[in-house]
Amino acid sequence: AQKITQTQPGMFVQEKEAVTLDCTYDTSDPSYGLFWYKQPSSGEMIFLIYQGSYDQQNATEGRYSLNFQKARKSANLVISASQLGDSAMYFCAMREGLEYGNKLVFGAGTILRVKS
Amino acid sequence: GAVVSQHPSRVICKSGTSVKIECRSLDFQATTMFWYRQFPKQSLMLMATSNEGSKATYEQGVEKDKFLINHASLTLSTLTVTSAHPEDSSFYICSASPRWASGASTQETQYFGPGTRLLVL
Repeated sequence: AQKITQTQPGMFVQEKEAVTLDCTYDTSDPSYGLFWYKQPSSGEMIFLIYQGSYDQQNATEGRYSLNFQKARKSANLVISASQLGDSAMYFCAMREGLEYGNKLVFGAGTILRVKS
Repeated sequence: GAVVSQHPSRVICKSGTSVKIECRSLDFQATTMFWYRQFPKQSLMLMATSNEGSKATYEQGVEKDKFLINHASLTLSTLTVTSAHPEDSSFYICSASPRWASGASTQETQYFGPGTRLLVL
């Protein structure tokens, strides 16, 4: 079974609008972390935001926020006020408990295109 | 802080030759380093996990003799693609996990290198 599912292969958003990128996950471990990374065409992996399984509040980092719905096992990324520079591939990833080490499991990714 | 470098950034080689890619943590000690492979418009696929001073742990389906990983020190891991063929052409990314990233409840996990584009002719 897929541990991380990103169902949107590609998304378009108008500049200055908000966009939500979907991510659902599957784990039986009570302790886990969820991450979002941005990968521009250069290939570098840019860490955006993190949500721990025990965190009570949704994580926010500037224009990025994570809509964490634990019961639904979803961790959607919301980008507010989209900019042209937000066009990139976005990956959702999960790290499970200590016995898995620091391994990250990545979703298939969503390509975001911001239109002017 | 927490910078990871990779060298080379791009490499073109002939089929049958071996290519070595270096991954260095510049300002921290990395107890664990990870090697990923990524094909165009696809996700990162973990190839192997390497811990300093011990043998690498390879993911299922990854040939150990094809992709040699050495983690000789706490700041350096190398991936050698032996007898490279055109199908090995890909984007290879390493990441390093610092000593203090030991719990699932912390956002500190892996710091990624900038990647190496390998083209085998």
